[in-house]
Amino acid sequence: DTAVSQTPKYLVTQMGNDKSIKCEQNLGHDTMYWYKQDSKKFLKIMFSYNNKELIINETVPNRFSPKSPDKAHLNLHINSLELGDSAVYFCASSSGIGDQPQHFGDGTRLSIL
Amino acid sequence: GENVEQHPSTLSVQEGDSAVIKCTYSDSASNYFPWYKQELGKRPQLIIDIRSNVGEKKDQRIAVTLNKTAKHFSLHITETQPEDSAVYFCAADGGSTLGRLYFGRGTQLTVWP
Repeated sequence: DTAVSQTPKYLVTQMGNDKSIKCEQNLGHDTMYWYKQDSKKFLKIMFSYNNKELIINETVPNRFSPKSPDKAHLNLHINSLELGDSAVYFCASSSGIGDQPQHFGDGTRLSIL
Repeated sequence: GENVEQHPSTLSVQEGDSAVIKCTYSDSASNYFPWYKQELGKRPQLIIDIRSNVGEKKDQRIAVTLNKTAKHFSLHITETQPEDSAVYFCAADGGSTLGRLYFGRGTQLTVWP
């Protein structure tokens, strides 16, 4: 059973399109995160939700909109995709806020043509 | 907020040798320090973590040491094997800033057979 699952695994699309990535965790965790990993491998946090409430919103363009319908799900919608959005997006979850192990999903590789 | 610096950015060792990766942090209120291993094309996976009330922790061939006074912590891998080749990330909790981990920029470890 996959603890943190993301869909889709690969996403290839054209500039200007709108796309969504979904994430689900079955660990019973309260906190979920979205990270962006660029080609240099840096893991940059984008958003964090605790019990469906947004607690971290880094300096991310407002084209990116997260949504948490419940504690087990955190989705990411991206409008008007740009070339610079090409990256691997990881979802993660933890049982607490910040000072607990984070469990990562397998990532979504987004490629903008 | 917290600032985590990681060195070296790349490390090459011969199979059987030891490898050491060092990180420093800035927020003295940080208490949780995990290490993640990311193999090529895979998700980051927690390999070991340490909290501020402990100076050293060991798990088979890997160990982590923490010096709170100097604000640095290190990952030690002994008897390295080719399958240890990966990118390793250190992290620290937000300390004064709740809700997140601050990641180092990663170390690409290559173990040559």
